[in-house]
Amino acid sequence: EIVLTQSPGTLSLSPGERATLSCRASQSVSNNYIAWYQQKPGQAPRLLIYGASSRATGIPDRFSGSGESETDFTLTISRLEPEDFAVYYCQQYGGSPRLTFGPGTKVDIK
Amino acid sequence: QLQESGPGLVKPSETLSLICGVSGFSINRGYFWGWIRQPPGRGLEWIAIMYLSGSTYYNPSLRSRVTISLDTSKNQLSLNVTSVTAADAARYYCARHSAVSGAFDIWGQGTLVSVSS
Repeated sequence: EIVLTQSPGTLSLSPGERATLSCRASQSVSNNYIAWYQQKPGQAPRLLIYGASSRATGIPDRFSGSGESETDFTLTISRLEPEDFAVYYCQQYGGSPRLTFGPGTKVDIK
Repeated sequence: QLQESGPGLVKPSETLSLICGVSGFSINRGYFWGWIRQPPGRGLEWIAIMYLSGSTYYNPSLRSRVTISLDTSKNQLSLNVTSVTAADAARYYCARHSAVSGAFDIWGQGTLVSVSS
């Protein structure tokens, strides 16, 4: 069973700073099937990144994703804008179970 | 474009039935369709995804109690959850899933379900 662990649980930063969010899988994720979502209070999640590093349609280029290995993935927000303070989830597809979400990282204002 | 509907309140041990109406595109067009839920103040939990061909995947922890289905005549998907308990109280989202990208690219706004007698 693939379990996703996200760190840190909470990231306290100021607007303009760089945010680095980690997602670690307990087993290799096939085909880099890692996605990242942003969720703001009272809203549905929004797809940011798929395939570990491809930005979804309409996502600003300050958001980037990378895969350091088949188990370690990173979401980077180069310069935080006020609207970026939210909870971020990673998700894997293709493993066992077929699909899982990580527990989330909250990015809040310092 | 995706709109969930449901009863709002369900009694323990009863069956929860949810519908997701899809507008603006056809569910016939080569995507998986799925359900995800989120208990208040907590994270996302994947429930199930289904392809029109019938390929279906369930979260093993819910497999014995949930059924996902697609209705092409109404362009909608459905979810049934049997024997509900307080642990099933959550906001339930439907979403479109691409097997090419491995991601849910379009989401509904969700419908809140409470469980109480």
